[in-house]
Amino acid sequence: NAGVTQTPKFQVLKTGQSMTLQCAQDMNHEYMSWYRQDPGMGLRLIHYSVGAGITDQGEVPNGYNVSRSTTEDFPLRLLSAAPSQTSVYFCASSYGDGNTDTQYFGPGTRLTVL
Amino acid sequence: GENVEQHPSTLSVQEGDSAVIKCTYSDSASNYFPWYKQELGKRPQLIIDIRSNVGEKKDQRIAVTLNKTAKHFSLHITETQPEDSAVYFCAASIGDKIIFGKGTRLHILP
Repeated sequence: NAGVTQTPKFQVLKTGQSMTLQCAQDMNHEYMSWYRQDPGMGLRLIHYSVGAGITDQGEVPNGYNVSRSTTEDFPLRLLSAAPSQTSVYFCASSYGDGNTDTQYFGPGTRLTVL
Repeated sequence: GENVEQHPSTLSVQEGDSAVIKCTYSDSASNYFPWYKQELGKRPQLIIDIRSNVGEKKDQRIAVTLNKTAKHFSLHITETQPEDSAVYFCAASIGDKIIFGKGTRLHILP
């Protein structure tokens, strides 16, 4: 198993540009989530999904969209990038109920918005 | 609101001594409390977790205690070693979400 994969590893955007961060898992996990990590702020939940076709907002959803058309994939879209979205983004997945089971994190995407 | 508070933000201990990190949570319905370790440049990885039906769990040098009445839980690392240097995050299940604390940077001094 590859586990949780994320692409790209690094990305530089200009303000106003759009892009999609990709996340995929091959463990047949129902629960997937996106976090951003900023210095001194820990891991903040952006969006999460309890299964294909179902998504919900986390702590900091503004400026981000998600969809979950398959169990394996959970892309994160930035519609109009802003410097405040400069961060490291982690995708995670869990088996079963998700919020009561181990979360497996991807390697992260380091995003810089100029 | 949904909140997990973690302290201290930075902790330095002498190699061989014990380290304790504490967290509090806001939702009395929370029932799952994991701890993650993140080494520099790496992804967070689970080191231990505890569910609300037990008060303490131990795995070699690592232990977690839970006080549901007071809504706080703690990570204890005994006989610290250089490889314990990392950032540690507590988390709590709140509804169907996992909310993390802001992290504790642990330095092990030689």
